[in-house]
Amino acid sequence: ETGVTQTPRHLVMGMTNKKSLKCEQHLGHNAMYWYKQSAKKPLELMFVYNFKEQTENNSVPSRFSPECPNSSHLFLHLHTLQPEDSALYLCASSQALRTNSAEQYFGPGTRLTVT
Amino acid sequence: GENVEQHPSTLSVQEGDSAVIKCTYSDSASNYFPWYKQELGKRPQLIIDIRSNVGEKKDQRIAVTLNKTAKHFSLHITETQPEDSAVYFCAASKVQGYSTLTFGKGTMLLVSP
Repeated sequence: ETGVTQTPRHLVMGMTNKKSLKCEQHLGHNAMYWYKQSAKKPLELMFVYNFKEQTENNSVPSRFSPECPNSSHLFLHLHTLQPEDSALYLCASSQALRTNSAEQYFGPGTRLTVT
Repeated sequence: GENVEQHPSTLSVQEGDSAVIKCTYSDSASNYFPWYKQELGKRPQLIIDIRSNVGEKKDQRIAVTLNKTAKHFSLHITETQPEDSAVYFCAASKVQGYSTLTFGKGTMLLVSP
């Protein structure tokens, strides 16, 4: 696998379920991101991890819990979600250096449906 | 925080025509402005970006211009082709090692043969 991969690609869950989304980057990057993409809304940044440390949390509800065990893996743990949380969840990575290389590479996304 | 407005929301052109998409941003500290293309069912992919120390950048049929004073930047696509049809997103960020991108709502570009 190359680039940024995400599993599962599709997920249907009930409001009382607990599930996790997984992201893996094979690019040697050290910053990873979670975005939410809903219909007719802009891509919303949820979390940023820089060198495994969480540096940004854009007022995301606690029912979304990120985890970054190393620079290559990023998880999003989901519990007691609401129907309005149904969306495409995109992971991205970038190489954060002092030279400020800023390009983000996106994964294919997980299409989440909450019933 | 940063706020990015993008216009138009949809744009239909004939093959061979030019297309222009415009974005404005609010935070004068933003210094990095990428454009992403997202085809239906696919991931967003960077097509061009510009930093605040540059006024214009060109890559074949695609160009981006930046006016820091007015806080707006634009994407220009010349000689459009049907494969240019996609949703285009602009974004703005203050790069601090990593980048926290604020995206516009997107423009759906339709290029008719």
